[in-house]
Amino acid sequence: AQKVTQAQTEISVVEKEDVTLDCVYETRDTTYYLFWYKQPPSGELVFLIRRNSFDEQNEISGRYSWNFQKSTSSFNFTITASQVVDSAVYFCALSDLYNFNKFYFGSGTKLNVKP
Amino acid sequence: GAGVSQTPSNKVTEKGKYVELRCDPISGHTALYWYRQSLGQGPEFLIYFQGTGAADDSGLPNDRFFAVRPEGSVSTLKIQRTERGDSAVYLCASSTTYGGETDTQYFGPGTRLTVL
Repeated sequence: AQKVTQAQTEISVVEKEDVTLDCVYETRDTTYYLFWYKQPPSGELVFLIRRNSFDEQNEISGRYSWNFQKSTSSFNFTITASQVVDSAVYFCALSDLYNFNKFYFGSGTKLNVKP
Repeated sequence: GAGVSQTPSNKVTEKGKYVELRCDPISGHTALYWYRQSLGQGPEFLIYFQGTGAADDSGLPNDRFFAVRPEGSVSTLKIQRTERGDSAVYLCASSTTYGGETDTQYFGPGTRLTVL
């Protein structure tokens, strides 16, 4: 069965600290897609990244980086030098060939960045 | 280009009433999705449309929930005989889909439904 686990319910950091948000997934398929979304207080989910299961290269985009480890079924998200504007709830999501249009979301990690 | 829009942004209704929630997808997106997000949880899939047809409605919780997309663009989620447990944020998303490959879903701001 498809499942996404975000064990960290809430994290608080001070501005400029680095922070890593964990995501562990379960799927029966070898072809799947992983996503991260940001949900600021306004409520709209903002797309951050999409990764397919055949591409294990880590990705960096500005202060954001993602570490995809198939061996541990993890897709972790790191924010370097966090800023107050990074405060939001972050969701990891999974889709696979059995349900490629149905996203399975984790329960989210609330990040509080304090000035 | 405009993003996904949803109306109303907030809806308060009484138990037993009927409600309609509207979603206007990104222009040109053929796929449309509805999710429900309860407080403190991630979005849960309800239904997916490809064009005018519901390709997967396995997430609809019961027959009080129904959705349509008659012209392949705007969609309406309909809830009959609302119950307090239906209170949640209802999110709509849209995407382009090429040959069945998963594409990124872009979400609207949601409709917060409160059933008193």
